[in-house]
Amino acid sequence: NFMLTQPHSVSESPGKTVTISCTGSSGSIASNYVQWYQQRPGSAPTTVIYEDNQRPSGVPDRFSGSIDSSSNSASLTISGLKTEDEADYYCQSYDSSNQGVVFGGGTKLTVL
Amino acid sequence: QVQLQESGPGLVKPSQTLSLTCTVSGGSISSGGYYWSWIRQHPGKGLEWIGYIYYSGSTYYNPSLKSRVTISVDTSKNQFSLKLSSVTAADTAVYYCAREHGNRDFDYWGQGTLVTVSS
Repeated sequence: NFMLTQPHSVSESPGKTVTISCTGSSGSIASNYVQWYQQRPGSAPTTVIYEDNQRPSGVPDRFSGSIDSSSNSASLTISGLKTEDEADYYCQSYDSSNQGVVFGGGTKLTVL
Repeated sequence: QVQLQESGPGLVKPSQTLSLTCTVSGGSISSGGYYWSWIRQHPGKGLEWIGYIYYSGSTYYNPSLKSRVTISVDTSKNQFSLKLSSVTAADTAVYYCAREHGNRDFDYWGQGTLVTVSS
């Protein structure tokens, strides 16, 4: 089965830029769209990136997404970090073999 | 504005069946183009997709849970439901219902409901 692997945690200082990776286990990650969700404690996830690099309305342009086929990975980049960006971030895509949804294990972002 | 709300027992005994319902307001399940989904999150852990249903009744399940899961839809009530059989403590989690925007993203989520499996 297709799996997505994320780093368990990342940390960076306010005002800096951080990138969170999401690596596909097999096949081509570019075959299906990748989404990114932000989840704060006690709340449901919300979309920050959909279709690899699209931002929903209301999400600041400090958030950007990209795909790197050479490393079979997707990335979420957050620039100009703010303390309010501290949250868990999950990538999500699809398993072409069974039309199933796959989530990465999540990355805890600490802004300190 | 679409809203989803989970409902159901917060405590289920081991070996019994977990049953939850998601009520959708602000939009019709029958409008098409969306997959109505269940996702769970074990305490302190990541998100796990359980499965989803189209308004026509077509279903897709996580292979690891498929033998125990049934998702159904009641378009007359604008609701969809989850049944998970033979539960164990490992099924203790926050259960979310969500709308999947046709291979795009899960754009609307319920607030989540904690279900504890314990005798």
